Amino acid sequence: DAGVIQSPRHEVTEMGQEVTLRCKPISGHNSLFWYRQTMMRGLELLIYFNNNVPIDDSGMPEDRFSAKMPNASFSTLKIQPSEPRDSAVYFCASSSGGPNQPQHFGDGTRLSIL
Amino acid sequence: AQSVTQPDIHITVSEGASLELRCNYSYGATPYLFWYVQSPGQGLQLLLKYFSGDTLVQGIKGFEAEFKRSQSSFNLRKPSVHWSDAAEYFCAVGAVAAGNKLTFGGGTRVLVKP
Repeated sequence: DAGVIQSPRHEVTEMGQEVTLRCKPISGHNSLFWYRQTMMRGLELLIYFNNNVPIDDSGMPEDRFSAKMPNASFSTLKIQPSEPRDSAVYFCASSSGGPNQPQHFGDGTRLSIL
Repeated sequence: AQSVTQPDIHITVSEGASLELRCNYSYGATPYLFWYVQSPGQGLQLLLKYFSGDTLVQGIKGFEAEFKRSQSSFNLRKPSVHWSDAAEYFCAVGAVAAGNKLTFGGGTRVLVKP
């Protein structure tokens, strides 16, 4: 079974550039989550979607961050303009919905902003 | 709101020895509990989950966890650790009040000595 697929796996770019991270959830899952992981702050939930609709974006750090889910099989997280403090590993996860359902994680995108 | 505490940031254990990782949660009703493992460079992988019923649950890779309502704990155990168990372990709680979100603990990093 295909798991959650994220691309790219690694991204290195200069500050000020636009960064787009992509995620394909597991087929049939109706909830999608974006997380950020750093040494200092650990694992942080940025935003999550149910049935392609954003439900809670309270974790999005600031207006430079935006996320979309145009259909059930694709989501993007965009940072514009990027800053060095955005350097982190970004994870996408999906689940079949409900608090009793486990989330399935992708392998993450390691983002470095120079 | 629910919360999760993993009191041990790092644990070092000898190969072949037993391992126990602590997890304490705060939530008024019966929570949905999960343990995840993260190997270097990878996403989080589900080890096991507890919803109801038998308070001792078995997971993958020889791990088990016990739910103790009176202590608000969900500790993870393994009788004999292998070098490949070196990783970071996360406890998480889901709750009806939180919708589809999971609340993660800060993680425990396990180092295995030969």
